[in-house]
Amino acid sequence: DAGVIQSPRHEVTEMGQEVTLRCKPISGHNSLFWYRQTMMRGLELLIYFNNNVPIDDSGMPEDRFSAKMPNASFSTLKIQPSEPRDSAVYFCASSLTGGGRETQYFGPGTRLLVL
Amino acid sequence: AQSVTQLDSQVPVFEEAPVELRCNYSSSVSVYLFWYVQYPNQGLQLLLKYLSGSTLDKGINGFEAEFNKSQTSFHLRKPSVHISDTAEYFCAVSEVQGAQKLVFGQGTRLTINP
Repeated sequence: DAGVIQSPRHEVTEMGQEVTLRCKPISGHNSLFWYRQTMMRGLELLIYFNNNVPIDDSGMPEDRFSAKMPNASFSTLKIQPSEPRDSAVYFCASSLTGGGRETQYFGPGTRLLVL
Repeated sequence: AQSVTQLDSQVPVFEEAPVELRCNYSSSVSVYLFWYVQYPNQGLQLLLKYLSGSTLDKGINGFEAEFNKSQTSFHLRKPSVHISDTAEYFCAVSEVQGAQKLVFGQGTRLTINP
């Protein structure tokens, strides 16, 4: 299996621009998670989906952030407009929930820099 | 709600020495416990997990962790470290029932010196 795939790996943009991060989960997994990692706040969950349905988006910082999962093999995290404080590494993870198989597998991350 | 505390932000150790990375958690419900490792500029990789059963769980790369329910701890240990173990280590919990999201500790940076 190719593992969780994220694109782009690096993104540099200017304040005010729209940023779209993409994730392809492991085939057969039914849960998908978006995390953000910063020096100040560490790793924090932004949103997670189960069977393509958003279950908990309480970690989404504000309305500038939105996430979608149109099908089982693709998800996007969009920031519009972006701000310098959004600079972070964004990780996508997937898992097969139920029956003690709750291990989350992480992608390599997207390193975002907003100037 | 759950919380995870990793008691040491940095741990320097000499090569071939033993190491223990400490993790304590707080939760009002039953939880699963995990250790993840993050090598420089990479994603997180599962090191080991505790779902149920034995209190001593063995993971990859010679690491093991001991679950202590009474002390709500899940410390990570390795009897002899290598230079290649230099990385950041994260302890995490998730609820057994209900939400599957991981709550992470702040991480411990393990540095192995020759």
